[in-house]
Amino acid sequence: DTGVSQDPRHKITKRGQNVTFRCDPISEHNRLYWYRQTLGQGPEFLTYFQNEAQLEKSRLLSDRFSAERPKGSFSTLEIQRTEQGDSAMYLCASSSFGGTYSYEQYFGPGTRLTVT
Amino acid sequence: AQSVTQLDSQVPVFEEAPVELRCNYSSSVSVYLFWYVQYPNQGLQLLLKYLSGSTLVESINGFEAEFNKSQTSFHLRKPSVHISDTAEYFCAVIDSGYALNFGKGTSLLVTP
Repeated sequence: DTGVSQDPRHKITKRGQNVTFRCDPISEHNRLYWYRQTLGQGPEFLTYFQNEAQLEKSRLLSDRFSAERPKGSFSTLEIQRTEQGDSAMYLCASSSFGGTYSYEQYFGPGTRLTVT
Repeated sequence: AQSVTQLDSQVPVFEEAPVELRCNYSSSVSVYLFWYVQYPNQGLQLLLKYLSGSTLVESINGFEAEFNKSQTSFHLRKPSVHISDTAEYFCAVIDSGYALNFGKGTSLLVTP
C-alpha cells in the first residue's frame, strides 16, 4: 500500500510565474485535501474534494489559487502569478469516506515552493 | 470554528526523561482530536487519534494522550523519551466535519 505522493518535492520559481503541483492519494481514498504550511506554523486548510467534486474552496487564499481533481484520482493545485508570500510547503492528504474513517487524514511529503 | 492551542512552542528534555506536550481545544459537543508528528525533512505522520470510546489512546511507539472533557485538553505524554523522538508535534481538531485545524506545533528536543 503506497502512501500519498506529491510532485515535485521542490519548486523554485520567479515572481509572476504560474506553478502547478500534483498529488496522488492513497488508492482507495476518495477524499483529498490541500493544506499550506509556512515556517513555524501548523498546516492551514485550503480545499478538499470528495471524488471529483470540490466541496469546499472558500478557504483558498485568493483567486490566484485553484485546484482540480478531474477523474477523482490525482489532484492538481495551481497558483497563478506567484508572489513571494506564496513561498511555503504545500501538503496534500487523503482519507476514505464513511463514519469516523473520514477524519483520519494521511499526508504526503509536501511540495516546497520558493518564489524569488 | 473548532480550534486547538498548543501551550508550549519548545520543550527540551533529556533522554529517558518523561515528557508532556500540552494541547487544549475549544469546547464543542462532538470533538475529534489528533496528534501528528513531523520529523526533520519529512511529512506529517498521524501519531494517534481520539474519535470516541476510551479517553486514553496510545501509539505504537510509546506515546499516549488522554481526552479530558472537563479541562478541554488532549495532552500528549511519554514516560521515557529517546533521541529519535526529536521532532515537531502538532495537535489538531476536525472542524466542520472535514478540515483539520492545527495548533502552531511544539518542538520536542531530546538531548543525551
